[in-house]
Amino acid sequence: EAQVTQNPRYLITVTGKKLTVTCSQNMNHEYMSWYRQDPGLGLRQIYYSMNVEVTDKGDVPEGYKVSRKEKRNFPLILESPSPNQTSLYFCASSLSRRITGELFFGEGSRLTVL
Amino acid sequence: QKEVEQNSGPLSVPEGAIASLNCTYSDRGSQSFFWYRQYSGKSPELIMSIYSNGDKEDGRFTAQLNKASQYVSLLIRDSQPSDSATYLCAVNIPGAALIFGKGTTLSVSS
Repeated sequence: EAQVTQNPRYLITVTGKKLTVTCSQNMNHEYMSWYRQDPGLGLRQIYYSMNVEVTDKGDVPEGYKVSRKEKRNFPLILESPSPNQTSLYFCASSLSRRITGELFFGEGSRLTVL
Repeated sequence: QKEVEQNSGPLSVPEGAIASLNCTYSDRGSQSFFWYRQYSGKSPELIMSIYSNGDKEDGRFTAQLNKASQYVSLLIRDSQPSDSATYLCAVNIPGAALIFGKGTTLSVSS
């Protein structure tokens, strides 16, 4: 089954404790991206990757890191989480870096930072 | 500031009616346009993409694009209660990220 898998789905953590949200896709997609969704603000892009070893900032990259060492994986790293990073996070992928709007989304990861 | 605007709703329509969802965008260079559906507590799901002016139909859904007016719409014919969801408009701006609108909540009553 074609899918984008995120883990963990739910996480409560404390300020400053490093965490990683993993994302993996099994569709051999070139393009991968991370979004956060907040009430009243909609979906905002954090980082994206056009291919292996190629990453770039989206609209709200502060406080986040990413890496793309393998085509299928695109982890999101919060080095020192803060309460304003409490949000619903989505990983998404697209077949081609030329058609980046046709996205498959993961199920989401709800993060709470206390 | 590159923006994608949608009425937040809720848009309420009776079962069987046509639901019309609208979206405007600020960047005239935008080339690709998308509609996503998001059920409460779920992830967004692509339902339509449109790349050229005019209408594109897929089952009960029709996407309409007017680049001169910087306007894209989604029509849902014969609306069903299962269509009740938030609909997100997204616009691909060249050299920039895919920009999402904040979404319009649709409620279809039986």
